[in-house]
Amino acid sequence: DIQMTQSPSSLSASVGDRVTISCQASQDIGDSLNWYQQKPGKAPKLLIYDASDLATGVPSRFSGSGSGTDFTLTISSLQPEDIGTYHCQEYDDLPRRTFGQGTRLEIK
Amino acid sequence: EAQLVESGGGLVKPGGSLRLSCEASGFTFSNAWMSWVRQAPGKGLEWLGRIKSNNDGGTADYAAPVKGRLTISRDESKNRLYLQMNSLRSEDTAVYYCTTEYEYPDAFDIWGQGTMVTVS
Repeated sequence: DIQMTQSPSSLSASVGDRVTISCQASQDIGDSLNWYQQKPGKAPKLLIYDASDLATGVPSRFSGSGSGTDFTLTISSLQPEDIGTYHCQEYDDLPRRTFGQGTRLEIK
Repeated sequence: EAQLVESGGGLVKPGGSLRLSCEASGFTFSNAWMSWVRQAPGKGLEWLGRIKSNNDGGTADYAAPVKGRLTISRDESKNRLYLQMNSLRSEDTAVYYCTTEYEYPDAFDIWGQGTMVTVS
């Protein structure tokens, strides 16, 4: 089974900061990776699909990169509304999907 | 607007059963492959299983940890997805979401609001 490991588990940053969240797969998954944002008490929302493509309506300050086993979600300039938990998810071993454990983002 | 609304959650005793429902609207449910995902309190997301559209065979696949205890089904005449859960354990306590790949293949871009199941 593919394991997905995110780092850090939580982070605190200031408004305007550049924020990066990492996701590592236990085996090569190509670009079969999605990123989701989940605000407290809400369902996840798709941000990035196929490792680097922005979903419709997602602000351009969000970007995704990486392939193989190492992936990164970047927020170029953190905004107050970006607080929440971010999840990576692989889809290389369909129909199974595996999520990372999540990264909780707070405003300093 | 594509929308999913779950219902049926609640408090159930260990060993009990529960059936969750998910009503779809705003898109062609009969073409959609649907999944269930859960999130235990303070934990990450866990994919539970997926059911294909009836046109594509209507078969379901499950995550290994829940196979045999969970059954996914659908009623396309009612635009509803179901999750039958049996032999419930405390570790099944979670928010349960239905979700689907609407605009993007292999990405869950439509989610319900979730329904809470507490096993105690």
